Amino acid sequence: EAGVAQSPRYKIIEKRQSVAFWCNPISGHATLYWYQQILGQGPKLLIQFQNNGVVDDSQLPKDRFSAERLKGVDSTLKIQPAKLEDSAVYLCASSLDLSNYGYTFGSGTRLTVV
Amino acid sequence: DAKTTQPPSMDCAEGRAANLPCNHSTISGNEYVYWYRQIHSQGPQYIIHGLKNNETNEMASLIITEDRKSSTLILPHATLRDTAVYYCIVSAQGAQKLVFGQGTRLTINP
Repeated sequence: EAGVAQSPRYKIIEKRQSVAFWCNPISGHATLYWYQQILGQGPKLLIQFQNNGVVDDSQLPKDRFSAERLKGVDSTLKIQPAKLEDSAVYLCASSLDLSNYGYTFGSGTRLTVV
Repeated sequence: DAKTTQPPSMDCAEGRAANLPCNHSTISGNEYVYWYRQIHSQGPQYIIHGLKNNETNEMASLIITEDRKSSTLILPHATLRDTAVYYCIVSAQGAQKLVFGQGTRLTINP
């Protein structure tokens, strides 16, 4: 089966600019996650969707980050305005059901804010 | 916050068994132990999980102590492609949330 697709693969922007990342989960996967991974650290959950509804966004910096999942399929994560500390890899994952072993991750988008 | 403790790094010779320890002394009765790994420039990949019995699949074996306060992931014949960061995660089945710690950076040496 096709994996989780993410684009772009790399992005360099200046601080205060805006940026958007796109994720296409595995077909039929109802749950979608966005994680932020700062260099040298483990991934940190930003937001979790179940179909097109938000289940958990407690770790999302809502003053600058937003995410949506229209029609319960593709998702976009946006940062506006970006800060230097937003430099990280943004990982998208999807899962079919409630099992924690069913996660499939994409390869991520590496964001550098200069 | 992550509920597990892992050594930050380990080395293993190619062809030998790699044994990665994980402490989870505060694990609850309904919580499973999951292992994921992350190869450079890729997203994390599921390896194995277990509740209290030892588990084995085509990738690895998971040994959980009787008191469930620690576990060991075993890669029986490590190859260079097993070089990665390995994450031990404790979570209730159905919690739908994986909380990653720092993991163990495993380096397989030729």
